[in-house]
Amino acid sequence: AQSVSQHNHHVILSEAASLELGCNYSYGGTVNLFWYVQYPGQHLQLLLKYFSGDPLVKGIKGFEAEFIKSKFSFNLRKPSVQWSDTAEYFCAVPNQAGTALIFGKGTTLSVSS
Amino acid sequence: DAGVTQSPTHLIKTRGQQVTLRCSPKSGHDTVSWYQQALGQGPQFIFQYYEEEERQRGNFPDRFSGHQFPNYSSELNVNALLLGDSALYLCASSSTSNEQYFGPGTRLTVT
Repeated sequence: AQSVSQHNHHVILSEAASLELGCNYSYGGTVNLFWYVQYPGQHLQLLLKYFSGDPLVKGIKGFEAEFIKSKFSFNLRKPSVQWSDTAEYFCAVPNQAGTALIFGKGTTLSVSS
Repeated sequence: DAGVTQSPTHLIKTRGQQVTLRCSPKSGHDTVSWYQQALGQGPQFIFQYYEEEERQRGNFPDRFSGHQFPNYSSELNVNALLLGDSALYLCASSSTSNEQYFGPGTRLTVT
């Protein structure tokens, strides 16, 4: 069965620090991978997605993620975080039917100014 | 262009009661999915509606039911509420692509 594992529950960084959030997946079909972000008080938004092609995917607000098939990983990165990046981040994969998303438990990122 | 809207924003109910949550999809979208997000957890898939029928269901009991209307809007009904049903309920809409757009959610508190 498909599953997603996010290793970091809570990450605390200072502004300008680099960020990497881990995501590992177990998935039997064509690999589609997503990162969603939930800012405080706001709805869940798509940060970036991988369907095929270049394994390095660039998303909004300077985020990127790299799909490494051999490691079943899709880690999220940002070279220099800002206070406004404080949010909850979720990695997700489609379910077997491709109709819904299976989310990881999420990583809370706190950025201090 | 309005995104996904949900109502109400917050709701407080008592154990054993029934609740109905509503969702209007993003313009142009015909598929609506419902998710439950418990505190400190990722969203969990409840079910999906397409062409007014439940297309797929996650691991949720029959107390959770839904409906989709001809205008693609949808309702989520939960009967015999339990304390454990307290959560943020998210609606997501999509069309032919896999990309799902989420609404702001309804925060349900069961006392």
